Amino acid sequence: SYVLTQPPSVSVAPGETASLTCGGNKIGGKPVHWYQQKPGQAPVLVMYYDSARPSGIPERFSGSNSGHTATLSISWVEAVDEADYYCQVWDSTSDHVVFGGGTKLTVL
Amino acid sequence: QVTLKESGPVLVKPTETLTLTCTVSGFSLSNARMGVSWIRQPPGKALEWLAHIFSNDEKSYSTFLRSRLTISEDTSKSQVVLTMTYMDPVDTATYYCARIPPGRGYSTDYWGQGTLVTVSS
Repeated sequence: SYVLTQPPSVSVAPGETASLTCGGNKIGGKPVHWYQQKPGQAPVLVMYYDSARPSGIPERFSGSNSGHTATLSISWVEAVDEADYYCQVWDSTSDHVVFGGGTKLTVL
Repeated sequence: QVTLKESGPVLVKPTETLTLTCTVSGFSLSNARMGVSWIRQPPGKALEWLAHIFSNDEKSYSTFLRSRLTISEDTSKSQVVLTMTYMDPVDTATYYCARIPPGRGYSTDYWGQGTLVTVSS
């Protein structure tokens, strides 16, 4: 089965750029989606198809995907961005949806 | 306004069958290539995809849980139902349903609030 690997935690200072990675075998060939989840809340889609922002998501959020790594970048990080972030793909071979293990973003 | 709402028991006993219902509004389950996923999250742990179903009745299940899961939909009631047999304490989790819009690569753009299911005798 397809596996997505995310670092458990990332810390950044306010105003800096956070780069959250998602590793997978040839992930560059798959559309990657990203979700933000704050404590006690349901996940929110913040990026789909690698780099498309849903309505209402700030332009500070951007995405890229190439080779074996997809990246969600958050520029000018704010305290409100502190949350868990999950990447997700659809594996066409198995017709399964796969989530990464999640990264906890801490704003120092 | 698109909404999804999960409903079902908050407590089930080990070996019992769990039945969860996702009631949707603001869109039709009959729309071409519209789908609904079920995803769960044990306390303090990551998201885990369970199953999805599309308007053409195409279904897919997690390999790990396939033998225990059944997903179905009743378009007339705007509901998607998930059953999970032989519940175990490790199945304690918040269960979410989420919409899969067409043409978005199986991303899920709207989620329900989730329902916490505890498995305990």
